Amino acid sequence: EDQVTQSPEALRLQEGESSSLNCSYTVSGLRGLFWYRQDPGKGPEFLFTLYSAGEEKEKERLKATLTKKESFLHITAPKPEDSATYLCAVQTAGGTSYGKLTFGQGTILTVHP
Amino acid sequence: DSGVTQTPKHLITATGQRVTLRCSPRSGDLSVYWYQQSLDQGLQFLIQYYNGEERAKGNILERFSAQQFPDLHSELNLSSLELGDSALYFCASSVDEGEQFFGPGTRLTVL
Repeated sequence: EDQVTQSPEALRLQEGESSSLNCSYTVSGLRGLFWYRQDPGKGPEFLFTLYSAGEEKEKERLKATLTKKESFLHITAPKPEDSATYLCAVQTAGGTSYGKLTFGQGTILTVHP
Repeated sequence: DSGVTQTPKHLITATGQRVTLRCSPRSGDLSVYWYQQSLDQGLQFLIQYYNGEERAKGNILERFSAQQFPDLHSELNLSSLELGDSALYFCASSVDEGEQFFGPGTRLTVL
């Protein structure tokens, strides 16, 4: 069974203080790893897809990386508007899972001004 | 705005009742997914439809059912509701089985 573990559960940063969120996964075969941002009471907002180890994607202050066992979401010089829950999800290759995403529990990021 | 719409935004009902949640995917997307999000379980996959056909099933209860119509909109039917069914229900859509774009959700409260 696919498993996704995110750490830490919560992270408090000062504005400008860079850090990383971790997503460890166990799957039979990885088709893709996805990062989403979710604000309270809203739907998850797509950020990145990573398909193979060594791949990196960047968007503004965010950078996602992927290894064979984990992914990191690096946040450089965060701003208060980056405060949100960051969700990691995996999609399995083959079998009958098709488009199913298995999500981690998320990391709640709070950035103080 | 992801382009995925869901109605209603909020739904309050009583135990034992039946409700229908509606989702319209992004233009051009053939796949529709339903997810349930509760505080203790996180985001859980329920079911996927592709161009009108059921494609993948998660831990969806037998009391729940879904369908995708010829115009590609989808409905999730929840029956014999229990207190524990209170949650946020999200619909997502995708062109193939890549990036999924989520709607704003329907918050279901069962009293």
